[in-house]
Amino acid sequence: GAGVSQSPSNKVTEKGKDVELRCDPISGHTALYWYRQRLGQGLEFLIYFQGNSAPDKSGLPSDRFSAERTGESVSTLTIQRTQQEDSAVYLCASSPGTSGGGLDTQYFGPGTRLTVL
Amino acid sequence: TQLLEQSPQFLSIQEGENLTVYCNSSSVFSSLQWYRQEPGEGPVLLVTVVTGGEVKKLKRLTFQFGDARKDSSLHITAAQPGDTGLYLCAGARPTGTASKLTFGTGTRLQVTL
Repeated sequence: GAGVSQSPSNKVTEKGKDVELRCDPISGHTALYWYRQRLGQGLEFLIYFQGNSAPDKSGLPSDRFSAERTGESVSTLTIQRTQQEDSAVYLCASSPGTSGGGLDTQYFGPGTRLTVL
Repeated sequence: TQLLEQSPQFLSIQEGENLTVYCNSSSVFSSLQWYRQEPGEGPVLLVTVVTGGEVKKLKRLTFQFGDARKDSSLHITAAQPGDTGLYLCAGARPTGTASKLTFGTGTRLQVTL
């Protein structure tokens, strides 16, 4: 596919369980981002990967959240011991990572809607 | 934490009306982007403004970047039902050759017939 894909599209889990969310970026994009979006609100930055650089984890809300990226391809966001406040849409974006000066365009996936019961 | 405040939060108007959405920050950004997001989808980039005072037009949408590069506005002329959605501004800061975005709080627009 040409765009960013995410799976699953919906995930319902019980409080305390671990969940893993997947993101397939656009081929060739060196930068990958994870965001969280609570109902009807703006996007909250979580983590950012670019190439072989150390990821920017400054947005992760707690140590229950972690993410990995394999080379310049798939990324997984893991939430351990989920809590009800983790319920949100988790969005992934990728960008070419070739434009400086704040001009790099991010392309978003459709998101994974996580519901913690 | 740099915050981008958008106003209004909600806007319900009739087809044919004009509207303006504002995005304000106390921080300077390298560029400012506007996105539209529809239910069940990710945000889609509408425009990027870079230069203070810059004005860009996209059909019925006019985007302006403030002189100090801290604020922006989106004006829609003769709104149509297809304009319905969540409008998000995002301030960009370069990080390496990519950009880190700080998103605004969002403006939900509903245009009715």
